[in-house]
Amino acid sequence: RKEVEQDPGPFNVPEGATVAFNCTYSNSASQSFFWYRQDCRKEPKLLMSVYSSGNEDGRFTAQLNRASQYISLLIRDSKLSDSATYLCVVNRQRDSNYQLIWGAGTKLIIKP
Amino acid sequence: GAVVSQHPSWVICKSGTSVKIECRSLDFQATTMFWYRQFPKQSLMLMATSNEGSKATYEQGVEKDKFLINHASLTLSTLTVTSAHPEDSSFYICSASRRRTGGRAFGDTQYFGPGTRLTVL
Repeated sequence: RKEVEQDPGPFNVPEGATVAFNCTYSNSASQSFFWYRQDCRKEPKLLMSVYSSGNEDGRFTAQLNRASQYISLLIRDSKLSDSATYLCVVNRQRDSNYQLIWGAGTKLIIKP
Repeated sequence: GAVVSQHPSWVICKSGTSVKIECRSLDFQATTMFWYRQFPKQSLMLMATSNEGSKATYEQGVEKDKFLINHASLTLSTLTVTSAHPEDSSFYICSASRRRTGGRAFGDTQYFGPGTRLTVL
């Protein structure tokens, strides 16, 4: 079983719709959680951190459920520019460093 | 702030040659740098973690003699793919992190370089 699992998609969604992704993680000792977005042939870019109390940034809402070990990302009023692959990332400690463990990503395609 | 550059952006080389990729933190001191590899339609896979002035820690399955990592200063890390073969063709991405005030490593943010696309013929 992968340490971080995501539905690869693709999710084909009309512009203006609301879309949600989930991600599950297996290591209960994980301490920090993030959503990144990656455009084709580009490096990943941090979209938002995920806090225990849930957090919102404009049209994006992230939630964390530690008991069930999953995190979610909700995108409201989707735009064409939201088309990308969304990567769920979990931070865990190894020795004195912290490592990012990456999901394989969920591909989102917003259609006009 | 927190800009990471990576060179070259892309490289095409013949099988058997060695390729060096540079990763630089331009406006901060990176105590730790990470090297990732990403094959098409797959997730980023951590190859190694390097702390300035010490040997890199390689992930399981990554050959340290094939992927040489040097982190000689707080702003530069290099990855050399030795005797590259077509199966080494991939997107190589570095990231750099800096310690927060107080020196704790907890939750360091990683800043990513733009990646290097390697094609080995």
